[in-house]
Amino acid sequence: DVKVTQSSRYLVKRTGEKVFLECVQDMDHENMFWYRQDPGLGLRLIYFSYDVKMKEKGDIPEGYSVSREKKERFSLILESASTNQTSMYLCASSSYRTSGKAYEQYFGPGTRLTVT
Amino acid sequence: AQTVTQSQPEMSVQEAETVTLSCTYDTSENNYYLFWYKQPPSRQMILVIRQEAYKQQNATENRFSVNFQKAAKSFSLKISDSQLGDTAMYFCAFMKLQGAQKLVFGQGTRLTINP
Repeated sequence: DVKVTQSSRYLVKRTGEKVFLECVQDMDHENMFWYRQDPGLGLRLIYFSYDVKMKEKGDIPEGYSVSREKKERFSLILESASTNQTSMYLCASSSYRTSGKAYEQYFGPGTRLTVT
Repeated sequence: AQTVTQSQPEMSVQEAETVTLSCTYDTSENNYYLFWYKQPPSRQMILVIRQEAYKQQNATENRFSVNFQKAAKSFSLKISDSQLGDTAMYFCAFMKLQGAQKLVFGQGTRLTINP
């Protein structure tokens, strides 16, 4: 089974802090994604990566950056956390190669981040 | 840009009843996938069912089936013989086949199955 893990389930940070959210997948997937989930808005794509060191902006990249130095790890960085970044953050991965399950994204358990 | 709309923020049914969740989408693409994801209180997002747009036959997975109306851009999820474990947030999602495998999600429907 594919496993996607995220470094924290709950995180509390102060305004202005630099925040790192880590995501690791164990299935050699090429694609990795960061979403944020807010009530009434569903999930919105922040950034994604289709290969090591490759990244593309999603729909709401402002205030965020990402890093993918190794294939299995995709980090989301909040350079200077603000209260409007309080949210649930979900990481996902997928592969073009997975037989019979192409295009399926596998999700981590989520990190609930509170910025005070 | 693609958009996905789920017009039912919340639904509630009795155990063993059948329930249908609505989803509409807007796209100019011809080749795409549609998905229903389930997020139970544990927060782990799980794929429920997937539909390829080029297939006319509606997808089914045990008690879960879809009604895919391509011309109407409608993709509803039917849950038969609902169970308490079906209580969750349900998200409809769209993915175009060209380019990166990005999902566009609807707002979600909170489904509660009552005993």
